[in-house]
Amino acid sequence: AQSVTQLGSHVSVSEGALVLLRCNYSSSVPPYLFWYVQYPNQGLQLLLKYTSAATLVKGINGFEAEFKKSETSFHLTKPSAHMSDAAEYFCAVSVRSSGDKLTFGTGTRLAVRP
Amino acid sequence: DADVTQTPRNRITKTGKRIMLECSQTKGHDRMYWYRQDPGLGLRLIYYSFDVKDINKGEISDGYSVSRQAQAKFSLSLESAIPNQTALYFCATSWGQNQPQHFGDGTRLSIL
Repeated sequence: AQSVTQLGSHVSVSEGALVLLRCNYSSSVPPYLFWYVQYPNQGLQLLLKYTSAATLVKGINGFEAEFKKSETSFHLTKPSAHMSDAAEYFCAVSVRSSGDKLTFGTGTRLAVRP
Repeated sequence: DADVTQTPRNRITKTGKRIMLECSQTKGHDRMYWYRQDPGLGLRLIYYSFDVKDINKGEISDGYSVSRQAQAKFSLSLESAIPNQTALYFCATSWGQNQPQHFGDGTRLSIL
């Protein structure tokens, strides 16, 4: 069965600083990987997805993630944090053998300091 | 209008009551899902449906049931609510296998 681990339940950065949110996955077959963002009182919104076409994936709002098979990682980055980036971020994985079932990480709450 | 609409947005009820949470979508997707979100646990899959006649249990289906009334409607029921079912519930849709899922804004359910 597939799984994801998000390191750090809370991350705090200064406005303008690099954002790095960590995600490691476990899967015996090639995975599909996703990052979602959740703003207060809202549902999850897709930031980006990896589907094996390219290892560096660009998403919305200036975020990107790099798939590294050797490290089983799919970390999310943004060069310069904005106040509006404060939210909770979820990494998720699915594999062909699981059909559509997404397995989510436990989430990382990002705080951005002025 | 939202593509995935959940009703109600908030509900407070008592132990033992029957509750139905509703989800409707205008995206035309065949696949629909119900998740619950608990602090520190992320989202966990309760039930999912690939079409009107195909309903499947997720990892935490005990105490829940679902009904897929039409392609656009998927409801979640708690037959006899208990306090540990207090959570944030999300409905989601997708158009195909391993495709991104689209989420509603959630129903915050409190069971006293």
